[in-house]
Amino acid sequence: TQLLEQSPQFLSIQEGENLTVYCNSSSVFSSLQWYRQEPGEGPVLLVTVVTGGEVKKLKRLTFQFGDARKDSSLHITAAQPGDTGLYLCAGADAGNNRKLIWGLGTSLAVNP
Amino acid sequence: DAGVIQSPRHEVTEMGQEVTLRCKPISGHDYLFWYRQTMMRGLELLIYFNNNVPIDDSGMPEDRFSAKMPNASFSTLKIQPSEPRDSAVYFCASRGPYSGNTIYFGEGSWLTVV
Repeated sequence: TQLLEQSPQFLSIQEGENLTVYCNSSSVFSSLQWYRQEPGEGPVLLVTVVTGGEVKKLKRLTFQFGDARKDSSLHITAAQPGDTGLYLCAGADAGNNRKLIWGLGTSLAVNP
Repeated sequence: DAGVIQSPRHEVTEMGQEVTLRCKPISGHDYLFWYRQTMMRGLELLIYFNNNVPIDDSGMPEDRFSAKMPNASFSTLKIQPSEPRDSAVYFCASRGPYSGNTIYFGEGSWLTVV
C-alpha cells in the first residue's frame, strides 16, 4: 500500500517566520500535488510537480519535487496569518493517475 | 463558473437512519469522486465515476454505503443504516478532460451520527 507521510503534523509559528513542511514516501509517483484546505472548506490545489528535481514558486511558497519523485517539500517565506490552514500533499499513482494517494496533512497556524 | 455543489452542508442524524448526500459536479467534468475526511484517517477515496460509470469502489467501507450517478450533473452517496463511526466530512470532487490531474472539491457535507 502506498503511503504519503507528512511532517510535521502540527506547526504554530509567528508571522514573518519561515517554515518547511515535508511529504515523504517509499513509492515513486508520476506527479505530486499540494493542496491547502481552510476550515469549513474543501482542499484547493496550489501546485502540481511532475519532473524529478522540479522547483516551482508561487509568491512566497516554494515547492520542490525530489529527484527520485518519492518526496516533496513546501517552503513558506515570511509566513502570514492568511497562510493558516491544512496543507495536504497527494501523489498520483504511476499505474493509475486517476487515483491520488493522500497524506494526512500539516496543520499550520500563523499567529499575528 | 459554479464550483462543485454539495448538499446538505451539515446533517445530524440518529444511528440507524438513512443519510443521502448530494453532489452536482462542475459542468463538463467527466470524473466525479467521493471522499471522506476524518482526523484519524485523513482523506479517503470512497468511489469514483467516469462518464457516470463507477470505476473503482474499493474504498467504500461496507455494504451500508452506496453511490449512484444517474446523469452527468448529479450524484448521491447513501448510507443505510448510519452508524456513529460514519461521522465525518464527505467531499465530492470533479475533474475535467482538460484539467490534467487537477480535481476541484466541493465545500463538503459535515455528517454527525449520534
